[in-house]
Formats: sequence, C-alpha cells, structure tokens
Amino acid sequence: GENVEQHPSTLSVQEGDSAVIKCTYSDSASNYFPWYKQELGKRPQLIIDIRSNVGEKKDQRIAVTLNKTAKHFSLHITETQPEDSAVYFCAASLPFSGSARQLTFGSGTQLTVLP
Amino acid sequence: NAGVTQTPKFRVLKTGQSMTLLCAQDMNHEYMYWYRQDPGMGLRLIHYSVGEGTTAKGEVPDGYNVSRLKKQNFLLGLESAAPSQTSVYFCASSWKRETGELFFGEGSRLTVL
Repeated sequence: GENVEQHPSTLSVQEGDSAVIKCTYSDSASNYFPWYKQELGKRPQLIIDIRSNVGEKKDQRIAVTLNKTAKHFSLHITETQPEDSAVYFCAASLPFSGSARQLTFGSGTQLTVLP
Repeated sequence: NAGVTQTPKFRVLKTGQSMTLLCAQDMNHEYMYWYRQDPGMGLRLIHYSVGEGTTAKGEVPDGYNVSRLKKQNFLLGLESAAPSQTSVYFCASSWKRETGELFFGEGSRLTVL
C-alpha cells in the first residue's frame, strides 16, 4: 500500500516568516495530495489540495508544490500568523475508481508561530 | 446544517467492555469513514462505506466492526475493548466524486483502562 512520510514533526517560526512542510509518498500511481489543518482540540479541515497533473497551486498565503519524479510534495505558508499554529497533515491517494477515495496520511507537523 | 456529528464525545471503558460510536451526517454524502488518531501516527483508516448497506476494511480494521444501515449514519463498534484502542476517533464523509474532500466530525476520545 501507499506510505507517506512527513517532515519535520515540529516546526517553530517567527511571525511573518515562511514555513515549509515536506512529504514523500511511495506509490507512483497516487494522483491526489491534500493538506489538512487541525487546530488544537478541533477537527481536521482541508486547506489545499493538488492533483498530479499540476505542479503548483496557490491560495493566498499557502501553496503546495508537487514533484512527481521525486515523489514528494510540500506545503508552503508565507507571512505566518499566530492563527496558523496547528498540526498539519499531508495525505496521498490512489486514483479514484468509483470506490471511496482512501487517503494515506502523514504523521503530522506541529507548527508553532511565535509572536 | 450540522455537518458531521459524532456521539459520544468522550468515553471511558474497562478492558473487555463493548461500545458503539455513532456518526451522523446531513450532507447526503455517499461515502463515510472511520479514522483513529494516535500521537505521532497521523490518521489511520479503520473502516469505510461507499453507500448504504456496504462496508469495507481500511488499514487497521482488527477489533472493530461497522454498520451502515442508513445513508446518513455510520456506526463503529468495539466488541471487547482493549487498552490499545485508546485513541481519538474521527468520522468523516465525502461526496462520490473526484473532489475527495473529507468532512470530519469533532472526534470522540476513547480511553480503555
């Protein structure tokens, strides 16, 4: 099955700096890569996703890049703010076949934005 | 529109006891999932369902059973709880299409003593 590794496990940045979280996946057939944010005590929520036919996607201060050859993808957060403090999970999924999309999640990165 | 609702939010069990977690969604989603979240291990899929009356095993199904008798409900059962099942359990649902976004419930914290 798919295996997703995520680094670093913890990340502290100064407010206003950028943060980068990296993930690698094992199955070259995976074609969908979402990122979820989980604030303390809350449910995970989708913040951005990318499909394998796209190399980069941006949404305001967040962006995701995908390198299919190297089988890794990254989350970039610019101009970090205290409300960005949370656990971030990457995930990978094999092509949708009409059955439920099964996501394999990374182990998570605790991002702390220091004021 | 409540989204995905889980009950109970907290539960403490003794080893060997049984319990059922209930997940309800009001978005008319076809797909529903149960995940467990453990420190340093991310979210791992226990069981999922692609529609009413169907269930399938995920990554870590042992010790759990599920049922989807109604489209809006997905039940997770522990027949004989073990300390290794101490975890936070999340239910999620999604549309039957390529979009793939999972909508999660608020989580249920289970402690098995």
